[in-house]
Amino acid sequence: ETGVTQTPRHLVMGMTNKKSLKCEQHLGHNAMYWYKQSAKKPLELMFVYNFKEQTENNSVPSRFSPECPNSSHLFLHLHTLQPEDSALYLCASSQVRGTEAFFGQGTRLTVV
Amino acid sequence: AQKITQTQPGMFVQEKEAVTLDCTYDTSDPSYGLFWYKQPSSGEMIFLIYQGSYDQQNATEGRYSLNFQKARKSANLVISASQLGDSAMYFCAMREQDMRFGAGTRLTVKP
Repeated sequence: ETGVTQTPRHLVMGMTNKKSLKCEQHLGHNAMYWYKQSAKKPLELMFVYNFKEQTENNSVPSRFSPECPNSSHLFLHLHTLQPEDSALYLCASSQVRGTEAFFGQGTRLTVV
Repeated sequence: AQKITQTQPGMFVQEKEAVTLDCTYDTSDPSYGLFWYKQPSSGEMIFLIYQGSYDQQNATEGRYSLNFQKARKSANLVISASQLGDSAMYFCAMREQDMRFGAGTRLTVKP
């Protein structure tokens, strides 16, 4: 298996649920990212991990909690989300200060 | 602070013709990278082309070329010989420390 893989591809959850998004990369990269893509808005960088250390948190609400147990895996833990959190969540990886980032296919999240 | 601007929300092009998608950026860092990604309706972001701030020549990848004008801080994407499969959202991005994206341009190729 190669590239960046995200699971699940689609997720519907209630506002009181707890769920996790998973991202796995097989590219040997040392940086991983979570982006949020809402309708009619640019991609928003949420979290950055370089060498498993979180280096950026772009004022993301605490109901989103990232976890990076190793350089190949990245999770986004979700709890008590709001309907406005419904979006496409994209994971990406790259070399730290490298060139292009490679993206997974995204998880389309719907909060009901 | 980084800022990437794509002024064309939507563009139409006739099949087999060339099209230019605009991108301007703002940065005070002399070292940065510029990228274009394609996002079909399926959602995945597909890397197309990269231009480094110190690169002297414009980047080319097959039918894609990047018109890099450093003094004007523009990095327009040129797609030659458009195909129906080129219909998608196109995003310009810039990396200083992290990669940030413009709002995107929806390209529609007409048969």
